[in-house]
Amino acid sequence: EAEVAQSPRYKITEKSQAVAFWCDPISGHATLYWYRQILGQGPELLVQFQDESVVDDSQLPKDRFSAERLKGVDSTLKIQPAELGDSAMYLCASSLATPTGELFFGEGSRLTVL
Amino acid sequence: AQSVSQHNHHVILSEAASLELGCNYSYGGTVNLFWYVQYPGQHLQLLLKYFSGDPLVKGIKGFEAEFIKSKFSFNLRKPSVQWSDTAEYFCAVNAGTGRRALTFGSGTRLQVQP
Repeated sequence: EAEVAQSPRYKITEKSQAVAFWCDPISGHATLYWYRQILGQGPELLVQFQDESVVDDSQLPKDRFSAERLKGVDSTLKIQPAELGDSAMYLCASSLATPTGELFFGEGSRLTVL
Repeated sequence: AQSVSQHNHHVILSEAASLELGCNYSYGGTVNLFWYVQYPGQHLQLLLKYFSGDPLVKGIKGFEAEFIKSKFSFNLRKPSVQWSDTAEYFCAVNAGTGRRALTFGSGTRLQVQP
């Protein structure tokens, strides 16, 4: 069964450092999402891509977060500088560009900022 | 903007007990509704979904959910839970076009005692 791949699974960093997360969606999925899940809460959308274009980044803290999907396949989410409040699970998901909207999630990248 | 409320944050049941998890959404137009499950140490995966038609939808592992439009609700049910159903359950919604990302509730942690 095809899966969404994410790396790293775990990242510990000190505040003010830069971190990056990588996501490879299911082959053929045009839509890619980055969500952030704080412990005890549901996932919250950070950014949505359709192919290489950003569809929605209204909840992305653009002063420190950036995301790209240059060739419309894999994607990178970067945080610079990291802050204590950024400690969370960063989830990548992908879906076909159809009205069904079903998302397939990766296992996530857990970030701890010290 | 769409939003989702899950009223039960932590539910503890004994095996064979019946389950109902509440979910209410806020959105004025046509919606697609989902329940996702996250088993310990695993990624989020789809339990069931509603797009149109019969408001009673059946999913995997004996779960079902009923869409009640007048109540803006999409409650999840299972007649008899098993220890293996221990997990976190998330209700999610997106606009009827399916183009927008999912908005998730805060989740319900289900603990089934043998």
